[in-house]
Amino acid sequence: EVQLLESGGGLVQPGGSLRLSCAASGFTFSGYAMSWVRQAPGKGLEWLSAISGAGGSIYYADSVKGRFTISRDNAKNTLYLQMNSLRAEDTAVYYCAKDRGDWNYFFDYWGQGTLVTVSS
Amino acid sequence: SYELTQPPSVSVSPGQTASITCSGNKLGDRYSWWYQQKPGQSPVLIIYDDKKRPSGIPERFSGSNSGNTATLTISGTQAMDEADYYCQAWDSGTYVFGTGTKLTVL
Repeated sequence: EVQLLESGGGLVQPGGSLRLSCAASGFTFSGYAMSWVRQAPGKGLEWLSAISGAGGSIYYADSVKGRFTISRDNAKNTLYLQMNSLRAEDTAVYYCAKDRGDWNYFFDYWGQGTLVTVSS
Repeated sequence: SYELTQPPSVSVSPGQTASITCSGNKLGDRYSWWYQQKPGQSPVLIIYDDKKRPSGIPERFSGSNSGNTATLTISGTQAMDEADYYCQAWDSGTYVFGTGTKLTVL
């Protein structure tokens, strides 16, 4: 059974940093592209970043380019999102999502999400 | 940047057919995918590659994609189908989500 378990969310002050993790199990982690997607309170889904199975290809949405960094450790079956220079508008539930393949360009599994609140 | 537009809300009576559209420039030239999200839950893939259903998704969910519009159709809508629905496409290194549609089953 595929499982994606996010962690690392919490309350952070504007300008601060946070690193999210997503522990994956139930599939060959290195064989699939992975993404981070967020959802602000009461809003829609916003894709943030994606990384290929081997980690050699990375994409970012313009809204987080230069502030967020995606990475993965295939030995630990874990996906990361380093978030710097956080703003109030970054407040959201952050999901990790598994691509159907490497790359199939859509998501067949999602984690339960972790809440990030940026506030003073 | 590529954009996908959905109606904010759609209402349907139980047992009737609901259609949710997703509009984007030449969307029919690329694949579309659909997710269902119920309150407090994570999104779930319900249609992939325009019209295919993942295992476990009821047959009442179907999809099509042509021209500038992809359409999610729910036949014989049930109360449990009340949720937010998002279309998605891929464009030049970005996963693009639609604006989302809240389906209300009255």
